[in-house]
Amino acid sequence: QSVLTQPPSASGTPGQRVTISCSGSSSNIGSNTVNWYQQLPGTAPKLLIYSNNQRPSGVPDRFSGSKSGTSASLAISGLQSEDEADYYCAAWDDSLNGQVFGGGTKLTVL
Amino acid sequence: QVQLQESGPGLVKPSDTLSLTCAVSGYSISSSNWWGWIRQPPGKGLEWIGYIYYSGSIYYNPSLKSRVTMSVDTSKNQFSLKLSSVTAVDTAVYYCARFVGYCSGGSCYGAFDIWGQGTMVTVSS
Repeated sequence: QSVLTQPPSASGTPGQRVTISCSGSSSNIGSNTVNWYQQLPGTAPKLLIYSNNQRPSGVPDRFSGSKSGTSASLAISGLQSEDEADYYCAAWDDSLNGQVFGGGTKLTVL
Repeated sequence: QVQLQESGPGLVKPSDTLSLTCAVSGYSISSSNWWGWIRQPPGKGLEWIGYIYYSGSIYYNPSLKSRVTMSVDTSKNQFSLKLSSVTAVDTAVYYCARFVGYCSGGSCYGAFDIWGQGTMVTVSS
């Protein structure tokens, strides 16, 4: 089991808005920033959101992140077929003294 | 354009040591950045292995710490990973990545912004 909990799957139709949750604890999300990574099939992960809600250059503003307490969320608006991928949240864990990842959420565009 | 490229044997025997290198191009490894390794078993999620600074400062995943050694070679602009006493559970795609952030007081704050393409390592006799 992963330290950060994500739903294993999510889905939506083109144009819809979907959200992916990431639940943690006071030692990780509750006290540190959250990053989100997108992994397209057969490729390396790509940084999508850092420091809870910041987008790296080149990431469309359709992607947004938020954090509240010990949970974080990734929202994707105007869903597109190319958004079909695995999404991972990540944060530092002060108790484990290490970087932890969520188990990943497989997003399907119907 | 910053690029990272992993290299090393794709097949390692059980109980042997897995050795990988990450060559960095388009960026000096001696710049103020940490560098990291992450792995992903087939069909599973991501697992952080560790970070290393160009000066040699290191943070390892506590669950792997007894078997992991990371090092930096600034003259070749590359960093390396060694994982000893491997078993089948160490079979995974291994990624190297640049970590933009900082480590201080036992914690690290930042994100992996550039990743290598990954290299599959299978542990089997």
